[in-house]
Amino acid sequence: NAGVTQTPKFQVLKTGQSMTLQCAQDMNHEYMSWYRQDPGMGLRLIHYSVGAGITDQGEVPNGYNVSRSTTEDFPLRLLSAAPSQTSVYFCASSTGPQGGQPQHFGDGTRLSIL
Amino acid sequence: KNEVEQSPQNLTAQEGEFITINCSYSVGISALHWLQQHPGGGIVSLFMLSSGKKKHGRLIATINIQEKHSSLHITASHPRDSAVYICALTGNQFYFGTGTSLTVIP
Repeated sequence: NAGVTQTPKFQVLKTGQSMTLQCAQDMNHEYMSWYRQDPGMGLRLIHYSVGAGITDQGEVPNGYNVSRSTTEDFPLRLLSAAPSQTSVYFCASSTGPQGGQPQHFGDGTRLSIL
Repeated sequence: KNEVEQSPQNLTAQEGEFITINCSYSVGISALHWLQQHPGGGIVSLFMLSSGKKKHGRLIATINIQEKHSSLHITASHPRDSAVYICALTGNQFYFGTGTSLTVIP
């Protein structure tokens, strides 16, 4: 049981480039989310999805796009990378916040924008 | 407005010391979670609490629902306990504290 798989683990981009961070889970979780983690700020929600075909914005959505075509996959797209998007990105999945169950996190993607 | 407040932000301890990390919150919850993140590593769930107290090895977590407060205790701390500990809530949405960075010195 792989859990939540994120790729790549590390990436360096130039300003203006685009890229997609991949996230896949094999636990049949409906709820998936993307966070960024910056020093002193904790985890901040970028986008989330409550099921295939449904996505919504979180706290810091600007500059990012998501889609959820299947239950398993939830890719995060950076449209035009900016140095302010240098961060560690985590994908997580769960049965949803109301049920009280914890989220399962991927190992993170360390992204640097030059 | 922070729904979750953790203290302290940073903590350095000598090996063997008893450690307490605190979490206070201001929203209604279905559960509180303590997460651990090692340097350069992923995030794992240590405890899920909705009431009372849980123990796992040298780690003990307590929650007081009326006071909206939880504590994570580490007994006989060890350098391998060095990590960031994050208080997380589940309710209408997921909420996270900013984390407590713990360093245990041999």
